[in-house]
Amino acid sequence: KAGVTQTPRYLIKTRGQQVTLSCSPISGHRSVSWYQQTPGQGLQFLFEYFSETQRNKGNFPGRFSGRQFSNSRSEMNVSTLELGDSALYLCASSPVQANYGYTFGSGTRLTVV
Amino acid sequence: TQLLEQSPQFLSIQEGENLTVYCNSSSVFSSLQWYRQEPGEGPVLLVTVVTGGEVKKLKRLTFQFGDARKDSSLHITAAQPGDTGLYLCAGTTGNQFYFGTGTSLTVIP
Repeated sequence: KAGVTQTPRYLIKTRGQQVTLSCSPISGHRSVSWYQQTPGQGLQFLFEYFSETQRNKGNFPGRFSGRQFSNSRSEMNVSTLELGDSALYLCASSPVQANYGYTFGSGTRLTVV
Repeated sequence: TQLLEQSPQFLSIQEGENLTVYCNSSSVFSSLQWYRQEPGEGPVLLVTVVTGGEVKKLKRLTFQFGDARKDSSLHITAAQPGDTGLYLCAGTTGNQFYFGTGTSLTVIP
């Protein structure tokens, strides 16, 4: 079966712009989580969506937002980009919740210049 | 302070050597998972352990969950260059899911 698909794979944006990243989970998985990964901070939890509702949120500013559609596909948006937002953004899906085990996408590498 | 501390942070060994990576916490976890991540890719789930004292084997990899469910270890026998990557433990405690700080392993041919 198809894995978790993230688009785009690479993105270069300018400070102050906004960006939208997309994630298609494994078919049948209703939970989608987003993580930011940087060399210095490791994997930082952004938010989790389940059946179109945000179930959990990490400690990120309001510039980071997300949503989930009825087909479980998810998007995350970052507004007013800062240089420090440069990172690998990972989407992970699971059948119900994280302790069942995540399947990760390959990520979107965002570079803010 | 991270809830799940991994040690060592970096490890560089020769092909054929054995190694152990540790994942420790002061909290009790209902389950623990181990992932491996290669550069430019997302982490891949290797195993989930749920019972204190549980030992699982995956070819040359042995995973153990501590009796008190506060720690876990990953032992690799006869490491190969293909084992190179970032190893992450992760688990659920208090209805929250956490990732460990990570161990970067390099196996030199």
